[in-house]
Amino acid sequence: KDQVFQPSTVASSEGAVVEIFCNHSVSNAYNFFWYLHFPGCAPRLLVKGSKPSQQGRYNMTYERFSSSLLILQVREADAAVYYCACKAAGNKLTFGGGTRVLVKP
Amino acid sequence: DTGVSQDPRHKITKRGQNVTFRCDPISEHNRLYWYRQTLGQGPEFLTYFQNEAQLEKSRLLSDRFSAERPKGSFSTLEIQRTEQGDSAMYLCASSLGSGGRESTDTQYFGPGTRLTVL
Repeated sequence: KDQVFQPSTVASSEGAVVEIFCNHSVSNAYNFFWYLHFPGCAPRLLVKGSKPSQQGRYNMTYERFSSSLLILQVREADAAVYYCACKAAGNKLTFGGGTRVLVKP
Repeated sequence: DTGVSQDPRHKITKRGQNVTFRCDPISEHNRLYWYRQTLGQGPEFLTYFQNEAQLEKSRLLSDRFSAERPKGSFSTLEIQRTEQGDSAMYLCASSLGSGGRESTDTQYFGPGTRLTVL
């Protein structure tokens, strides 16, 4: 079965680097997508691709079956749910269950 | 606001009733997707349109579910004879796709419609 795995919760202190690890069993998946979701709002894409990439404070690592999202200099305002998703051929995304990031001041 | 919009944002209905949700994608986007999200889970793919053609449907989309995109713009998702298990957040997304099956276009999500079936 095609699945994406990520931790349910990651806790950190303000100013640190938060790392969220994601791996998958999605057949022929070749791209990762990382979304940020605040309750009541639309999920927002942070970074995507099939190679390591960076968008502002967000870094994405890439391996064939895994990716990590690194949030640099994390702030209290970054406390939210982060979703990892994979895309194989075709256009549907397969999502993980989401990682809740907790940030201590 | 030129993002993806969904209406209504919340819907409470009684078991057995029919409900219909609407999604307005970003105006120039040719691809439109529906996902369902239950509490504590990530979004699960339901179906996908390219223009007005429905190109892919998940096995999650039972016979009680039907989606349309008649003019290649807005889309509706109808659930007939709702069941308590249909209670979920229904998310719509759109993208501008120019490639084939290996495109990496970004899917932009709407805020979702939360359905509660009593």
